[in-house]
Amino acid sequence: QLQLVQSGPEVKKPGTSVTVSCKASGPTFISSAIQWVRQARGQRPEWIGWIVVRSADTKYAQKFDDRVTVTRDMSTRTVYMQLNSLSFEDTAVYYCVAGTVFPPGRSPLDYWGQGTLVTVSA
Amino acid sequence: QSVLTQPPSVSGAPGQRITISCTGTTSNIGAYYDVHWYQQVPGTTPKLLIYENNKRPSGIPDRFSGSKSGTSASLVITGLQAEDEADYYCQSYDHTLSAVVFGGGTNLTVL
Repeated sequence: QLQLVQSGPEVKKPGTSVTVSCKASGPTFISSAIQWVRQARGQRPEWIGWIVVRSADTKYAQKFDDRVTVTRDMSTRTVYMQLNSLSFEDTAVYYCVAGTVFPPGRSPLDYWGQGTLVTVSA
Repeated sequence: QSVLTQPPSVSGAPGQRITISCTGTTSNIGAYYDVHWYQQVPGTTPKLLIYENNKRPSGIPDRFSGSKSGTSASLVITGLQAEDEADYYCQSYDHTLSAVVFGGGTNLTVL
């Protein structure tokens, strides 16, 4: 079992960056991959990328590849997602999600954080 | 436009059976990548409903079932209940895009 607790809502201006954190508890953290998914209001979920916790290997969706960075801190069991060059279209709820099947692309998204609303507003 | 295609909406009366389709291509579902299904009640976090095409996580009633054939997958809900009103999303992996992909979602209305 994994529990994921995310940081609070953010309001950002266009062109700036946001960092969302995701703190994990539970014995399977080290053997999981943490994925980031966002969902704009009324839209389907959209995959951003993942990090394999044990190795710190990352993979990003091509759409975000040049402006997203996902990292992890093993000492605090926390994963971070930084998204740069924000635009209005980045307004969405951002979720961290854990899966334990490898490779991560094949894994169901078992455990979801509560979501973090990121609002980009001038 | 989603890589995985779902009907935008389905409806059914309490007690009835409904099917939600998820149509992909030979780059995703047809390439032997598993399909997973999620239920999202408006205002809440998505919940894993079916994984690896036809398996139910602990706590999911057996009224929910899934299947996959060729480039498509289906979610079936039998004995429809009012609490089943939600959005349903299919998810798989696409090796051409090298990305996790979601369907566009299907809104289920219980009449």
